[in-house]
Amino acid sequence: AQTVTQSQPEMSVQEAETVTLSCTYDTSENNYYLFWYKQPPSRQMILVIRQEAYKQQNATENRFSVNFQKAAKSFSLKISDSQLGDTAMYFCAFMRPGGVRGADGLTFGKGTHLIIQP
Amino acid sequence: KAGVTQTPRYLIKTRGQQVTLSCSPISGHRSVSWYQQTPGQGLQFLFEYFSETQRNKGNFPGRFSGRQFSNSRSEMNVSTLELGDSALYLCASSFGLNTEAFFGQGTRLTVV
Repeated sequence: AQTVTQSQPEMSVQEAETVTLSCTYDTSENNYYLFWYKQPPSRQMILVIRQEAYKQQNATENRFSVNFQKAAKSFSLKISDSQLGDTAMYFCAFMRPGGVRGADGLTFGKGTHLIIQP
Repeated sequence: KAGVTQTPRYLIKTRGQQVTLSCSPISGHRSVSWYQQTPGQGLQFLFEYFSETQRNKGNFPGRFSGRQFSNSRSEMNVSTLELGDSALYLCASSFGLNTEAFFGQGTRLTVV
């Protein structure tokens, strides 16, 4: 079974600063997908970024980028120029590829509560 | 394009009752999965449907069941409700088995 660990329950930074959220995972799979989701107070889960394990290049989406270290099983999220609207719970998630046996669904970490201070 | 729609948004039920939650996926998406979110256990995978077939199920008792219709809409049912079933139930849809999941706003179930 896969496990996902987010070691920072809560983080607080000033607006416009850069912040990095940590995530480690454990799996025996070689091919898989990693995601960061954001859950603001509205409770809707919003996909932030996706990384395929077979890709060495780190994914980026505007102010969001990841540092994917496959050998270390580490998948951190960097938010640049943080904004008040970035305040939310951030979840790291793992997914095995689906196929004939079906998809396992996402395995989530416990989340990091990120607070952006004005 | 409309997002994932879950109904109802809020529910209050009594122990022992049963409940049915509904999820309408994004148009064209064929995979629907369900998650339970609680403060203690976090987000846990319930089950996943693809083309009306349950492809996989998480570690939940048989009281939790679901189905998917030919238009990809999905329902989940919880029978004999327990206090511990109080949670936010999230539905997610994706185009295929290996594509990213898009979530609805959830149904907040309170069992009293």
